[in-house]
Amino acid sequence: GENVEQHPSTLSVQEGDSAVIKCTYSDSASNYFPWYKQELGKRPQLIIDIRSNVGEKKDQRIAVTLNKTAKHFSLHITETQPEDSAVYFCAASRPSGTYKYIFGTGTRLKVLA
Amino acid sequence: NAGVTQTPKFRVLKTGQSMTLLCAQDMNHEYMYWYRQDPGMGLRLIHYSVGEGTTAKGEVPDGYNVSRLKKQNFLLGLESAAPSQTSVYFCASRSTGGSYEQYFGPGTRLTVT
Repeated sequence: GENVEQHPSTLSVQEGDSAVIKCTYSDSASNYFPWYKQELGKRPQLIIDIRSNVGEKKDQRIAVTLNKTAKHFSLHITETQPEDSAVYFCAASRPSGTYKYIFGTGTRLKVLA
Repeated sequence: NAGVTQTPKFRVLKTGQSMTLLCAQDMNHEYMYWYRQDPGMGLRLIHYSVGEGTTAKGEVPDGYNVSRLKKQNFLLGLESAAPSQTSVYFCASRSTGGSYEQYFGPGTRLTVT
């Protein structure tokens, strides 16, 4: 079945350093790839997304890259701050097809001050 | 706008008891989803709906039933709760428009003893 693998499961970085989280998906027809941030006890919130017709997208300190051939996509956070500490989830979807979103298992990011 | 709301926020059930979780959205979204979130397993889709009166199974539907009698509401039922259903349940919705973003509710923490 459809699957999304996410690595690493935990990541600790020093404040100001960069963090990279990687996901691989199995359904080659997936064409929408969102990233969610979830703080402790809160709901997941979308931080950035990318569609399959784009290779990279940036929004201030965060960026997402997509390699459709290899079926993987990555989240990049630069100049990390303590408030970036959270769990990050990737997902893959065919929004106009199956309507389903398949999520990765999450990465707990700790930014050390 | 309240966005996506969930009722109740917390619940403790004994094995074999039944309950219904209510999800409501005021954004006129067509698509609604129920997920469960367990430690280390990300968000797993239980059931979803692409419109009023329609429902479909997700990845982990066993032990759950759903109904979408009104467009704004999506109900998740547990007929005979089991300890394996202890989890945090999130509802989400999205529109049929150009944005594929899912909006999540605040979650319901369910414990089955």
